[in-house]
Amino acid sequence: GAGVSQTPSNKVTEKGKYVELRCDPISGHTALYWYRQSLGQGPEFLIYFQGTGAADDSGLPNDRFFAVRPEGSVSTLKIQRTERGDSAVYLCASGMGSQETQYFGPGTRLLVL
Amino acid sequence: AQTVTQSQPEMSVQEAETVTLSCTYDTSESDYYLFWYKQPPSRQMILVIRQEAYKQQNATENRFSVNFQKAAKSFSLKISDSQLGDAAMYFCAYRSTHGMRFGAGTRLTVKP
Repeated sequence: GAGVSQTPSNKVTEKGKYVELRCDPISGHTALYWYRQSLGQGPEFLIYFQGTGAADDSGLPNDRFFAVRPEGSVSTLKIQRTERGDSAVYLCASGMGSQETQYFGPGTRLLVL
Repeated sequence: AQTVTQSQPEMSVQEAETVTLSCTYDTSESDYYLFWYKQPPSRQMILVIRQEAYKQQNATENRFSVNFQKAAKSFSLKISDSQLGDAAMYFCAYRSTHGMRFGAGTRLTVKP
């Protein structure tokens, strides 16, 4: 079966613009996670969905970041008023539940000019 | 808060030889999961091996095995018979209720 997919694979935007990053999890996976990976570092947790609801959003850095998963499948990470420091690879992962192995997508590389 | 430390930014191994990557973590929990993920230049995170903390037996997946020392909070990865395709960034990760916490990674180079 298909793995986790993320679109776009690369996104270049200008400072101050709004961006949306999409994640399609593995079919049937109820848990979905967003991570941010800066150059030379490990992934950093942003938010965790169980079904449609955000079970834990403690990793979101500020109120410019928001994520939704309205039907419990596809999720969108939204970043308002982008800043150059938001440049990173944004990774999505899904799993059968919070205690199960997470399977990662290929990530979206965001560059804010 | 849980932290994960990988003290080796870079490691190198000769093809067909064995290499061990180190990882330590800090937690007050008694039941948790530990993982090693591999990230090649394609940036796709690939699960290498997983260990449940309640299991005393070290996990093994083909050429990959771990040395899990719960009391010492150590979780090292041993790669036997290293292959060129093993070259990648390796991340140790601790799974808490807040998603996974990752170490900073170890870049593994495999020399032919």
